[in-house]
Order: sequence, then C-alpha cells, then structure tokens
Amino acid sequence: AQTVTQSQPEMSVQEAETVTLSCTYDTSESDYYLFWYKQPPSRQMILVIRQEAYKQQNATENRFSVNFQKAAKSFSLKISDSQLGDAAMYFCAYRSSTGGGADGLTFGKGTHLIIQP
Amino acid sequence: DSGVTQTPKHLITATGQRVTLRCSPRSGDLSVYWYQQSLDQGLQFLIQYYNGEERAKGNILERFSAQQFPDLHSELNLSSLELGDSALYFCASSVVGGSYTGELFFGEGSRLTVL
Repeated sequence: AQTVTQSQPEMSVQEAETVTLSCTYDTSESDYYLFWYKQPPSRQMILVIRQEAYKQQNATENRFSVNFQKAAKSFSLKISDSQLGDAAMYFCAYRSSTGGGADGLTFGKGTHLIIQP
Repeated sequence: DSGVTQTPKHLITATGQRVTLRCSPRSGDLSVYWYQQSLDQGLQFLIQYYNGEERAKGNILERFSAQQFPDLHSELNLSSLELGDSALYFCASSVVGGSYTGELFFGEGSRLTVL
C-alpha cells in the first residue's frame, strides 16, 4: 500500500517570503500522480498543483512550484511571494495511474501553513 | 466551484441516530469517493463507487453504508451514531478513462456533529 508522509505539522513564513513544504511517499509503482491540495479555513479542498510521475519537468502554477525527485520519492511544494490568502492546511496526495481512476487518493496528514504579516 | 454538490452542509444530531449524506458528482464523472476528516485523523478514505457499483473500501465502519444510484448521485448512511463520528464528510468525484487527469474534485463537505 502507498503511504504519504508530511513531516512538518506546521510551518510559518513572513508575507512575501518563500516557503517549502515537504512530502515523501512510498510506492512500488512507476507511474502515478502526485498532488498538493489546499484546505483554507472554509474547509474546501482546493487543488493547488499536479505532477505526473512520467514527466521529468517540475510542475508550476503561478507562485506555486514543485520539486519532484522520483528516485528519492520526494515531492515538495514551494510557495513564492507568500500571501495572507495562502494560509491554510496543505495536503500532499498520491494516486496510482493504473486502473484509469479506479481508486482514490492517499493523503498525508497535512502541514498547517501560517503567514505572518 | 468544483461541480460536486453535497447536502446538507451542516447536521447536528444525537447519539444513536441515523443520518444520510447526499452527493451529486460533477457532470460526466462516474466515480464517487467518500472521505472522513476528523480533527486528529486527517482525511480517511471510506468507500468508492464506480457507475453504481462498489469499487473499493477503506476504513469504513460497519455502521456506515453507501450506495450510488443510476443517476450517479451517492448517499452515505451513518447509523447508531457515536460522539466519535463527529467529522467533516467529503464527497469527491473523478473522471475515469479517456479524460483521466488524476485529481479528485471535492464537494464542500458535510459537517456532522453528534451530541
């Protein structure tokens, strides 16, 4: 079974600074998807960024980028120019690409990100 | 707006009672997933349905059951409720097949409080 580990229960960063959230995972599969979801105080689960394991290029979405190290099974999220609206719980998630979607996401326990004004 | 609709948004009930949570997936999504988020447990996968049939089971209690109807909406039934069942219950849906991009689309959740 796949596992996802987020070793930082809480992180704090000054507004406008850069912060990196860590995630490691364990799998025996070679093809899969990795995600970062954001859960603000509203509790809605919002997709931040997606990475396909077969792609070597790291995904980027505006101020959000990932550092995907497949051999190390590491998938960190970098948030540049942090904004107050980035304050949220961030979850790293894994999903197998086999089965065409016949399984769900495996989540880490989350990292609570605090933005200091 | 993810396109996934969950009702009710909030529900308060007493121990021993039974409740039903409802989910309408995004148009065209055949797979529905239920997750439970408790304060100290993170997001726990409960069960998945695909086109009306149960596809995968996670840490779902025997007191809980679910089904997916022909119109693809799903219901999660929670019975003999205990204080520990108080949680946020998420429904998510996913594309299967040709347009598969991996992510799940989440509803806003149903917050259940058991008193």
